[in-house]
Amino acid sequence: AQSVSQHNHHVILSEAASLELGCNYSYGGTVNLFWYVQYPGQHLQLLLKYFSGDPLVKGIKGFEAEFIKSKFSFNLRKPSVQWSDTAEYFCAVWMDSSYKLIFGSGTRLLVRP
Amino acid sequence: GAGVSQSPRYKVAKRGQDVALRCDPISGHVSLFWYQQALGQGPEFLTYFQNEAQLDKSGLPSDRFFAERPEGSVSTLKIQRTQQEDSAVYLCASSQREDSNQPQHFGDGTRLSIL
Repeated sequence: AQSVSQHNHHVILSEAASLELGCNYSYGGTVNLFWYVQYPGQHLQLLLKYFSGDPLVKGIKGFEAEFIKSKFSFNLRKPSVQWSDTAEYFCAVWMDSSYKLIFGSGTRLLVRP
Repeated sequence: GAGVSQSPRYKVAKRGQDVALRCDPISGHVSLFWYQQALGQGPEFLTYFQNEAQLDKSGLPSDRFFAERPEGSVSTLKIQRTQQEDSAVYLCASSQREDSNQPQHFGDGTRLSIL
């Protein structure tokens, strides 16, 4: 079955630490890839997306993600996190010929000041 | 407002009651999606509309769940004879066009609690 895995459920970092959140999907066809963020008390917001072209994509607030097709991965990175990055992060995949996004279970990030 | 609006924000119902959840998508958005998000999980797809046509309802967990979008704008998700396992946050999302290159814009969700 098609699925999206986020292996880190909870991550705690200090400010200025580097961040990498893993995302893997199981599907052999064409995909569009997304990272969404949900800040406390807010709705899901798009952080960045990959459709085609350069596999390294840059999003808002200094986030970036790299699509590695051979590894079926789309990991999220940020060189130096801030307290305001405390949120839940969801990886989502749109698989070709499907209308729906398939989400991972999310990673809760806590950044200590 | 400019975003996706959902109402009510919170709904408490007794087991066996029917509930109706409303979604106002961004004006002009063709595509509308409903998701169910259980505690500690990511959103799971329920159903998809393109304008007024319901093109995919494969995610609806049972025939107690019904969604409509009669005029191609506002959508309602109805759950009949609610059960405790229906407790979740129900998210609505819309996108500008029908193709997958359009990001989905999410509402704040309706938190449904079944007692």
